[in-house]
Amino acid sequence: EPEVTQTPSHQVTQMGQEVILRCVPISNHLYFYWYRQILGQKVEFLVSFYNNEISEKSEIFDDQFSVERPDGSNFTLKIRSTKLEDSAMYFCASSGLSSNQPQHFGDGTRLSIL
Amino acid sequence: LAKTTQPISMDSYEGQEVNITCSHNNIATNDYITWYQQFPSQGPRFIIQGYKTKVTNEVASLFIPADRKSSTLSLPRVSLSDTAVYYCLVGDRAGGGNKLTFGTGTQLKVEL
Repeated sequence: EPEVTQTPSHQVTQMGQEVILRCVPISNHLYFYWYRQILGQKVEFLVSFYNNEISEKSEIFDDQFSVERPDGSNFTLKIRSTKLEDSAMYFCASSGLSSNQPQHFGDGTRLSIL
Repeated sequence: LAKTTQPISMDSYEGQEVNITCSHNNIATNDYITWYQQFPSQGPRFIIQGYKTKVTNEVASLFIPADRKSSTLSLPRVSLSDTAVYYCLVGDRAGGGNKLTFGTGTQLKVEL
């Protein structure tokens, strides 16, 4: 079964640095998403992306965050000037065009800000 | 957005059938009910989705009464590997660009 893959599995970064989290969505999917889950808390929606632009974003997704699909396979989340509270699991997901095709999640990147 | 309420935790034994009920009194006419499963340090995994009556797939069944104010996820003959958090989501269907809103879920623990 096709999978969403995320790299790295764990990223440790000093506060104030920039990080880029990478995702390879399922190949024929058209919608891409980022979610995050702070330890012990709910999974929270960050952003959805379609046709090379953001289709929806949450209040969390402020100017510190950006997403990009630099080529035909990768989907990235960039976090600038990281803060301690950015420490979380970040999940990428993808889905097909139809709303009947559910989102498939990767296993996440654990981001630790020191 | 319809609020969902589900038990914080449930315990079961291998081979038993497990039913997790979710209440969503304010479900809207166009809302669907979707269930995801999450293991520690993994991303959520889609289990099942439905609108009304009963939906069954190879891993679970979803029962939705006529008033749609609640739903029950049924896992037949659970095993230790079914120990996970189960999330009931109510809203747009789980694909097509729709964002998913997760609650706190139900921690299912399966023992021998």
